[in-house]
Amino acid sequence: GAVVSQHPSRVICKSGTSVKIECRSLDFQATTMFWYRQFPKQSLMLMATSNEGSKATYEQGVEKDKFLINHASLTLSTLTVTSAHPEDSSFYICSAREPAGDTQYFGPGTRLTVL
Amino acid sequence: DAKTTQPPSMDCAEGRAANLPCNHSTISGNEYVYWYRQIHSQGPQYIIHGLKNNETNEMASLIITEDRKSSTLILPHATLRDTAVYYCIALYYGNKLVFGAGTILRVKS
Repeated sequence: GAVVSQHPSRVICKSGTSVKIECRSLDFQATTMFWYRQFPKQSLMLMATSNEGSKATYEQGVEKDKFLINHASLTLSTLTVTSAHPEDSSFYICSAREPAGDTQYFGPGTRLTVL
Repeated sequence: DAKTTQPPSMDCAEGRAANLPCNHSTISGNEYVYWYRQIHSQGPQYIIHGLKNNETNEMASLIITEDRKSSTLILPHATLRDTAVYYCIALYYGNKLVFGAGTILRVKS
């Protein structure tokens, strides 16, 4: 299957700082990428849909000014958590949709801890 | 997208087949059935998907009933590494994946 990477895999930051997470599709070009968040013992929650060259579409209840998404190329989408607070601590996972079909492939996830 | 219903948990003996059921009684004719799994602290892994016909790949088989109201994911020879949460999702082409609670599969030696 297709490979999606995320960087960093783990990050610890102080409250009030911003953190950027990168998501890359390594062996295919993805016009659409997705960002999910997962709290302990819960299922994945879709945060936003990222389309190359256009503004992201956010799910209801997700603050677009807090979670900045950029999809500047067909292989890279970034999620920036601005002014992070302890309640933003979570497991952030991206996925990329393959262009030929409709299957989404997921990255390994980024564990964010805000102190 | 149609709602899916899965048992919250299942156990399976190592080496035996794991059969994971999924109910999607309101599925429409052009909704696909997708299966993913998530091993602890990792991103979800794509397993298989199908529309009407049964499908098989190197990981699993997907059996869809003729009326398409339910399906079964079959892991032919479960190993300890197959312990994970398995998600069954009904999806129109081009729509977003929305995850439910899934089935926790525990493979035991």
